[in-house]
Amino acid sequence: GNSVTQMEGPVTLSEEAFLTINCTYTATGYPSLFWYVQYPGEGLQLLLKATKADDKGSNKGFEATYRKETTSFHLEKGSVQVSDSAVYFCARGIQGAQKLVFGQGTRLTINP
Amino acid sequence: KAGVTQTPRYLIKTRGQQVTLSCSPISGHRSVSWYQQTPGQGLQFLFEYFSETQRNKGNFPGRFSGRQFSNSRSEMNVSTLELGDSALYLCASSLELAGVNEQFFGPGTRLTVL
Repeated sequence: GNSVTQMEGPVTLSEEAFLTINCTYTATGYPSLFWYVQYPGEGLQLLLKATKADDKGSNKGFEATYRKETTSFHLEKGSVQVSDSAVYFCARGIQGAQKLVFGQGTRLTINP
Repeated sequence: KAGVTQTPRYLIKTRGQQVTLSCSPISGHRSVSWYQQTPGQGLQFLFEYFSETQRNKGNFPGRFSGRQFSNSRSEMNVSTLELGDSALYLCASSLELAGVNEQFFGPGTRLTVL
């Protein structure tokens, strides 16, 4: 089937720590992969994307690489800030449909 | 460009009532999708409309329905509300790019069913 599995949260880090949030997807075809972020009381914002194997998406210091061999798309940031506190969702597209399948979300809290 | 807008932002209804939520996509986007977000089930796909036609549908009961107008604006309707329908309803719009499903989300409508 089409599913996405994300690292369970919540995750709490200190400012300037290194962040990794794991995400794996089922290998049905070659989907586009996304990371979305949701701040309290808001909708989802696209953080970054990758559309084919070995692509690296990056934005605001966050990076994720599309790894076909491990069916993974882990989110990383070298030095987190308090303002990065939010819920992060990994998602895959469904080929032939304008539809996203989301992971369960990871709540990230950064302490000063 | 203005982003995706949703109205109303908050809604309180009682069991058995019906509700209509509205979504205006980004100008030029013809695909509109709806998602339900709850703490227990996470983000689940409801349906997607393109050129006034429903193209994809998620696994929700028939009480959930939608439509799209010629200007791409979309509405979703939930009839005979149940307590479990309390959720954040998110609308997303997208361009039709082959193989890329990038979607842009609105702020959501928070529905509370009492």
